[in-house]
Amino acid sequence: GQNIDQPTEMTATEGAIVQINCTYQTSGFNGLFWYQQHAGEAPTFLSYNVLDGLEEKGRFSSFLSRSKGYSYLLLKELQMKDSASYLCAVRPDSWGKLQFGAGTQVVVTP
Amino acid sequence: DAGVTQSPTHLIKTRGQQVTLRCSPKSGHDTVSWYQQALGQGPQFIFQYYEEEERQRGNFPDRFSGHQYPNYSSELNVNALLLGDSALYLCASSLAVEGPRNSPLHFGNGTRLTVT
Repeated sequence: GQNIDQPTEMTATEGAIVQINCTYQTSGFNGLFWYQQHAGEAPTFLSYNVLDGLEEKGRFSSFLSRSKGYSYLLLKELQMKDSASYLCAVRPDSWGKLQFGAGTQVVVTP
Repeated sequence: DAGVTQSPTHLIKTRGQQVTLRCSPKSGHDTVSWYQQALGQGPQFIFQYYEEEERQRGNFPDRFSGHQYPNYSSELNVNALLLGDSALYLCASSLAVEGPRNSPLHFGNGTRLTVT
């Protein structure tokens, strides 16, 4: 089958670091995306990995290991506005379709 | 520069009815995809349109159909509505020639469909 698994919820304190893990088993692999979705809003693009390794973009970093079928999103210096759902998505082929995980709800507390 | 716009924002329909949802892609984008997002779940791919043709389709029945117009805007039609069709319907656009790194999917705020 095809699965994209990520934790349901994570809680962290303002200023801390949180790592959201994502494991995937898909029919093919042509890149992995992370999106942020605030309640009632559109998902917004955070990062894209297609090769193994770490991609850093400001407070957010994303890592990929294709051999392990594993990725993580690292959020540093957490702010209250980072409270949102974080969606891991795999592009299984060269077409545009994305397969999403169920999302990880991150709650940032003061 | 307008992003992806969808209409209507909310819709209530009765089981068995038909519905049409509309999407205008981000300026400069030529590819439109539709996703269904149930509460507490990730978006599920319905289909993708490029050059006015359906290019890829997810595991959705034929009751779900779509169209893309020459100006790249798109419609999603759902016939014979079921209670289980209640969800947030998201439209996303991109520019095909740019590839996923330079033109990742841009999502609209969605249409919240409730079927009673």
